[in-house]
Amino acid sequence: DAMVIQNPRYQVTQFGKPVTLSCSQTLNHNVMYWYQQKSSQAPKLLFHYYDKDFNNEADTPDNFQSRRPNTSFCFLDIRSPGLGDAAMYLCATSRVRPATNEKLFFGSGTQLSVL
Amino acid sequence: SQQGEEDPQALSIQEGENATMNCSYKTSINNLQWYRQNSGRGLVHLILIRSNEREKHSGRLRVTLDTSKKSSSLLITASRAADTASYFCATADTGRRALTFGSGTRLQVQP
Repeated sequence: DAMVIQNPRYQVTQFGKPVTLSCSQTLNHNVMYWYQQKSSQAPKLLFHYYDKDFNNEADTPDNFQSRRPNTSFCFLDIRSPGLGDAAMYLCATSRVRPATNEKLFFGSGTQLSVL
Repeated sequence: SQQGEEDPQALSIQEGENATMNCSYKTSINNLQWYRQNSGRGLVHLILIRSNEREKHSGRLRVTLDTSKKSSSLLITASRAADTASYFCATADTGRRALTFGSGTRLQVQP
């Protein structure tokens, strides 16, 4: 059974047109993360939620926003996608923060193309 | 910012051979984790080693950690074609609240 589900699997948007990626989880985990991964590169953390507490990375562009309306769902909003935002976006969860020896569970990712 | 650097960037071996990947990091950590990623898919957790551990085994996987050198290695024994994937180390730094991933090693196992 899928535990972290990302929709859609592939998303195509136009330059400058807002887009929303979604993630849901059935694990009831406290922490949800969004990572951006460009081709052949390391996943780069954009932000994460610990419950409702939002934690933004210092170098995450303002163009990226996130919402977590409840425990199960988390959304990534890209307000004005540029060509450089084309990437795989990975959602992940953990029961508590990984510094306390917790592993992450990842979804299959959403591959975003910007035309 | 990127924490870990992995070596080699790419590795090609024959089925049955062992594969060794290395990871170096920069800061103090609580634990180090290894993940696997098949092409175009999400990451799957393989193994976690705590900062007070030196070696850990899981099936065909063996992980070592040397905190004095800030380095870790992942050994896959008796490799199979199905092991073809990218492998990433990730650190849980004492000063951060999320995992930071290394640059990854792309492993190709030839049947």
